[in-house]
Parts: sequence; C-alpha cells; structure tokens
Amino acid sequence: DAGVIQSPRHEVTEMGQEVTLRCKPISGHDYLFWYRQTMMRGLELLIYFNNNVPIDDSGMPEDRFSAKMPNASFSTLKIQPSEPRDSAVYFCASRGGIGELFFGEGSRLTVL
Amino acid sequence: SQQGEEDPQALSIQEGENATMNCSYKTSINNLQWYRQNSGRGLVHLILIRSNEREKHSGRLRVTLDTSKKSSSLLITASRAADTASYFCATASSYNQGGKLIFGQGTELSVKP
Repeated sequence: DAGVIQSPRHEVTEMGQEVTLRCKPISGHDYLFWYRQTMMRGLELLIYFNNNVPIDDSGMPEDRFSAKMPNASFSTLKIQPSEPRDSAVYFCASRGGIGELFFGEGSRLTVL
Repeated sequence: SQQGEEDPQALSIQEGENATMNCSYKTSINNLQWYRQNSGRGLVHLILIRSNEREKHSGRLRVTLDTSKKSSSLLITASRAADTASYFCATASSYNQGGKLIFGQGTELSVKP
C-alpha cells in the first residue's frame, strides 16, 4: 500500500482565500483523523471519522473550518476564508480499528 | 485540549548513551502510544502499551506505564545519531473505546555523534 496520501504538500495563499486539503487513507482503514501542528500549540486533533461518519469535531477551531468524508477513500479539510493564524502543517492519519495511526507527510499551509 | 504532557521538552545526549522521556496524562486510558517525527515528516508509530500492561519492549525501546500515577516513560538504549527526532506520546481515552487519540507536546531528542 502507498500509505496515507495528502495533497497538496505545500500551499501558499492569501488571507480570505478558500483552502482545500485532501487525504486518501490506507485502504481498509475505518478511522481517519485530521491534526494540525504548530510550534505554539503542538499537535492538535481537529476532527476524526469512523466509517466515514464524523465522531468528534470538538477540535475544529471555528466555523471557517469544515471536514468531509464522502467515501472510505477520500476526505477533505476546508478553510474558508483563510487567515494568517491558520498557517500550520495539517496531517491526515488513518488506522484500522484501535491501534497505531499511520500518518501522511502533511500539508504545509502558509496564509499571507 | 492536550492530554499528554511530556518531559523534558528537549534532551541532548552523546551517541551510545540512553535517553529517557516521560509522559503524564490526566484521564483514564485504553492505551498509550509513542511516535517519532523526523524534521519535516509525518509521525511514525513506535510502540503501543495497553492499560493493563506495565512494560513493553521493542528492539532498543522500552516503555513503561504506571496507571496509578498516570504516567509513562520511553527509554531508548544505546542511542544513535539517527535517533535524533521529536518523540510524542499519545493517549487513547477509555471513554470512547479508545477511538480518540490525543498527543502530547513532544520531546526533542538530539543525539550527538
């Protein structure tokens, strides 16, 4: 398997623009997580899905953030409108059942 | 909010020495996991210890868990320069059957050749 695939790897955008981050989990995995990593706040859990259903989105910062998982092989994290404080590395991770997480390489977002 | 708190925040040792990192958490857990992150990369799973286990080994890694103190430690023996990375503990709460995984702030380990 190719592992968890995230795109884009790097995104530079201007404040106010819409940003869409994409994730393809490992085939057969039933959990998908979105995390955000910054120097100040560390690794924060934004939302996680089980069998394509959002289970806990309490970490989503505000209404500007939304996440979807239309099927078992694809998820998106959208920020609209983006702000400079959203600049971070966004990680997607998946797992099968309760156990280890497999992380993608991350999407580095810079909002100017 | 973060569940795990790690100590120390940064650790610098010589090759061949042992490195010990500690993790404390706040609520009841299903399991605790340790991950490694090289600069600019995603996290990689190292080891998982369940709440009913006290110690686990994997190669040069030794993990202990003390649920009465809500703490865990990761020991890397005979460290190598290639072990230089950030190390994170992550806790799976028992309140949602271990579904949610929360990470600590991490320990930055530097191993000098």
